[in-house]
Amino acid sequence: GAVVSQHPSWVICKSGTSVKIECRSLDFQATTMFWYRQFPKQSLMLMATSNEGSKATYEQGVEKDKFLINHASLTLSTLTVTSAHPEDSSFYICSASGRAEQYFGPGTRLTVT
Amino acid sequence: SQQGEEDPQALSIQEGENATMNCSYKTSINNLQWYRQNSGRGLVHLILIRSNEREKHSGRLRVTLDTSKKSSSLLITASRAADTASYFCATGGNYGGATNKLIFGTGTLLAVQP
Repeated sequence: GAVVSQHPSWVICKSGTSVKIECRSLDFQATTMFWYRQFPKQSLMLMATSNEGSKATYEQGVEKDKFLINHASLTLSTLTVTSAHPEDSSFYICSASGRAEQYFGPGTRLTVT
Repeated sequence: SQQGEEDPQALSIQEGENATMNCSYKTSINNLQWYRQNSGRGLVHLILIRSNEREKHSGRLRVTLDTSKKSSSLLITASRAADTASYFCATGGNYGGATNKLIFGTGTLLAVQP
């Protein structure tokens, strides 16, 4: 199956700083990538849909100025958590879309202290 | 917004028993997918069933889909301790113009006791 990587796999940052998470499709071109957030013992919540070369579409309640998404190429999308706060601590998962299936990255655990 | 509700929220069984998880959703779908997630890890795609299919098998997994009831079930037969994980259904549909968008259910935490 298709491989999607995320980097870093975990990150600890101080409150007020920004963190960038990368999502790469390694063996296929993904015109669409998705970003999810998962709090402990909860399900995945879709944050935004990222299309190559255009602005991301954010789900209701997700602050687009706080969670900056860039999809500059068909194999790379980035999520930047700006001015991070402890409540942003979560597991962030990306996926890249093939046809009907989405291929998920291994996730990035963000801890904001 | 959360699309699917899964039932039960948690399930504990003995090794060798079958495990059944149910998923209900609210709107029309193109497909329904089941994923497994081990604690703190990424998602593993298990099976995809299209809206015009009623049943699908893959190894020890059997998935059914009833679009009239807007529900699906995942059956794991002859469970093993290694099946211990959270299981999520996810519906794929034309949500907000994005054809591949997935909306995840609440999940079922399965514990298989050796």
